Amino acid sequence: AQTVTQSQPEMSVQEAETVTLSCTYDTSESNYYLFWYKQPPSRQMILVIRQEAYKQQNATENRFSVNFQKAAKSFSLKISDSQLGDTAMYFCAFMKQRLQGAQKLVFGQGTRLTINP
Amino acid sequence: DTAVSQTPKYLVTQMGNDKSIKCEQNLGHDTMYWYKQDSKKFLKIMFSYNNKELIINETVPNRFSPKSPDKAHLNLHINSLELGDSAVYFCASSHVEKSGYTFGSGTRLTVV
Repeated sequence: AQTVTQSQPEMSVQEAETVTLSCTYDTSESNYYLFWYKQPPSRQMILVIRQEAYKQQNATENRFSVNFQKAAKSFSLKISDSQLGDTAMYFCAFMKQRLQGAQKLVFGQGTRLTINP
Repeated sequence: DTAVSQTPKYLVTQMGNDKSIKCEQNLGHDTMYWYKQDSKKFLKIMFSYNNKELIINETVPNRFSPKSPDKAHLNLHINSLELGDSAVYFCASSHVEKSGYTFGSGTRLTVV
């Protein structure tokens, strides 16, 4: 069974700083996807960034980027120039590559990130 | 246009009651899911339907019964509600050609 671990329950940084959230996972699969989801106080789950395991290049979405280390099974999220609106719970998640039907997202415990003015 | 919509957003009910949560997606996705987020914010899958067929059924009490009348709808019915059922329930959908889910806004269920 796959497991996802986020070792930082809470983090806090000043606005405009850079912050990195850690995530490690355990799997015997070779093909899979990794995700970071953001959950602001509104409760909505928002996809931040996605990485396909077969791609060596790290994914980037504007101020958000990942450091994907497949051998180490590590998938950290870097937020540059942090903004007040980045305050949220952040969840790392794993999904096996699916050929048909459904594959479940396995989530980490979450990291509560607070951006201070 | 809401992509995945759940109703109701909030539900407060007494122990022993039966309640339903409805979910609809207008994305044309073929797979839908129910996830439960507990008081510690941990998210765990409950069920998944693909084209109206039950695909994933995690260890969930049989008081919980999903129903999918068509591939755009997945409802969750809960019988004999217990205090421990209090949580946020998320509906989500995905497409077979892609990965990652689109989530609904969640239903906060409080059993008193």
